[in-house]
Parts: sequence; C-alpha cells; structure tokens
Amino acid sequence: AQSVTQLDSQVPVFEEAPVELRCNYSSSVSVYLFWYVQYPNQGLQLLLKYLSGSTLVKGINGFEAEFNKSQTSFHLRKPSVHISDTAEYFCAAVDFGNEKLTFGTGTRLTIIP
Amino acid sequence: DVKVTQSSRYLVKRTGEKVFLECVQDMDHENMFWYRQDPGLGLRLIYFSYDVKMKEKGDIPEGYSVSREKKERFSLILESASTNQTSMYLCASRMGGRDTEAFFGQGTRLTVV
Repeated sequence: AQSVTQLDSQVPVFEEAPVELRCNYSSSVSVYLFWYVQYPNQGLQLLLKYLSGSTLVKGINGFEAEFNKSQTSFHLRKPSVHISDTAEYFCAAVDFGNEKLTFGTGTRLTIIP
Repeated sequence: DVKVTQSSRYLVKRTGEKVFLECVQDMDHENMFWYRQDPGLGLRLIYFSYDVKMKEKGDIPEGYSVSREKKERFSLILESASTNQTSMYLCASRMGGRDTEAFFGQGTRLTVV
C-alpha cells in the first residue's frame, strides 16, 4: 500500500528566505504525486502535480517541486516566501494500481516577519 | 469553478446519536471522498466512491458508513457517534482518473459530547 511521509511537522522560515518542504513516498509501482495547500480555516487546494515527463514541476504562487525516483522524494520549494504563504502543506500520492488518494501528515509553514 | 459544498461548517452531537454529514458537488465528478483531519495525523481516508452506488473502504472505515444514491451527493454516516469521532471532516471530488485534481469542501468540524 502507498504511504506518504512528510518529515517535518512544522517549518518556521523568515520572510523572503527560501524554503523546502520534504516529502517521501513508498510504492513499488509508479505513482502520481501532488502538493496541496490549506490556508487557515479553508479547504485544500492544489499547488502542483507530477504525472510524468520533466521531473521539475512548477505550480501556483511561485512554488515548484522536484520528483526524484531514485530517492522516492517529491520535495516542495520556493525561493522567497511571503507572509501569505503561511499555511499547512500536504503531499499526496495515487498508486497506478488503485484510485486512493493518500495524504501525508502535513507540514505547517510559519513565516516570521 | 468547481464547488464542493458540505452541509454544515460546525456540528455538535451527543454520544450515541446517528449523524449524517452531507456533501454535494456541482461538476458531475465520478469520484468522491471522505477524509477526517486530525492534528499530527494529516488527512486519513474513511471511504471513497468511484461512481454512483459504488463505494470502497479507506484506511479508517470503522464506525462509519456512506451512501451515494446520486452522482452529485456523497453522505457520511456515523451510526452511533462517539467522542473519538470528534474531528474535522473533509469531502472531496474529482473527475474519474487518478491523475486529476481533487476539489475539497470547506470541512465540517464535528464535536461529539
């Protein structure tokens, strides 16, 4: 069964500094990978997804992620964060073998002015 | 824009009550999901439905059931509510296909007393 691990539960970052949120997945089959963001008191919305092709994927709000098959990772990055990026970020995956969308435990990103 | 609407934002129920959480989507999506979100545990899949009258258990189905009589509506039922079911419940929908984006409702915060 697919599992998704987010290694950091909380990440504090100074405003305008770069950030990386880590995600690893475990699967013996190919997967589709996603990053979702949840702003305070809101539902989740899609930031970006990796299906195939280029391993560097660009998303909304200046975020990007890199798929690394050998390390089974899909880390999310932003070169310069803003106060408005304060949110919880979830990595998710779908196995080719089933329909389930499985989420990690989330990383709470706090931006320090 | 896709809209996923959950019938209540906040709900307080007594132990032992039968509880219905309703979710409606307006984009003719085939797949619908129910998750519960708890601090430190991320989103855990309770049930999902890949078509009308079709359902599959997720990772934590115990104590829950679901109903999908019409394509646009997916109901989560707590047969006999217990305090350990106090949580945030999120509904999501997507077009058929593992590579498609899931759209989320705002969530229902259920408190069982």
